[in-house]
Amino acid sequence: KQEVTQIPAALSVPEGENLVLNCSFTDSAIYNLQWFRQDPGKGLTSLLLIQSSQREQTSGRLNASLDKSSGRSTLYIAASQPGDSATYLCAVGFSGGYNKLIFGAGTRLAVHP
Amino acid sequence: KAGVTQTPRYLIKTRGQQVTLSCSPISGHRSVSWYQQTPGQGLQFLFEYFSETQRNKGNFPGRFSGRQFSNSRSEMNVSTLELGDSALYLCASSLGGVQGNIQYFGAGTRLSVL
Repeated sequence: KQEVTQIPAALSVPEGENLVLNCSFTDSAIYNLQWFRQDPGKGLTSLLLIQSSQREQTSGRLNASLDKSSGRSTLYIAASQPGDSATYLCAVGFSGGYNKLIFGAGTRLAVHP
Repeated sequence: KAGVTQTPRYLIKTRGQQVTLSCSPISGHRSVSWYQQTPGQGLQFLFEYFSETQRNKGNFPGRFSGRQFSNSRSEMNVSTLELGDSALYLCASSLGGVQGNIQYFGAGTRLSVL
């Protein structure tokens, strides 16, 4: 069964800290992996997309890595800010699934001043 | 460029009724996927449409159905509503065709079943 797990479930940090959010998946037949952000009661905002042939992607203070062999991805957030407070979701597209994404349960992040 | 638009934003229905939700994808996108989000189950895939054809389906009962029109707009329908259908329904659009394009999500429709 294809499953995606995110650790930790919740995280509370002071402003300025560097953070690592973890995502693991059970099937090595991954096609791509996408990180999203969700604010309370809102839709999802795409942060980074990593294809299976890539090792990492960067956008501003965000860096996502992918290790297919170990079934893991990490999202690194540098110099966290209160505006980064949200739920971060990892979603995996597996080969043959077309655009179907399997989501982890998310990491709820709170950055306090 | 306009994003993914979902209407209505909020709906209140009673058990046994049916409901239709609408999704307008980003211009030029031909793939539309639907997801259900609940506190207990998280985000779960319902189905995907590409060029008016359903090409993938999640593990939901037949009460959940959808369709896509020639302009790529999509609707999903839930018949005989149950209390457990209360959820945020999200749609996502992408260029489609090959797998692996970025998916863009709408703000969702929040359905409450009383």
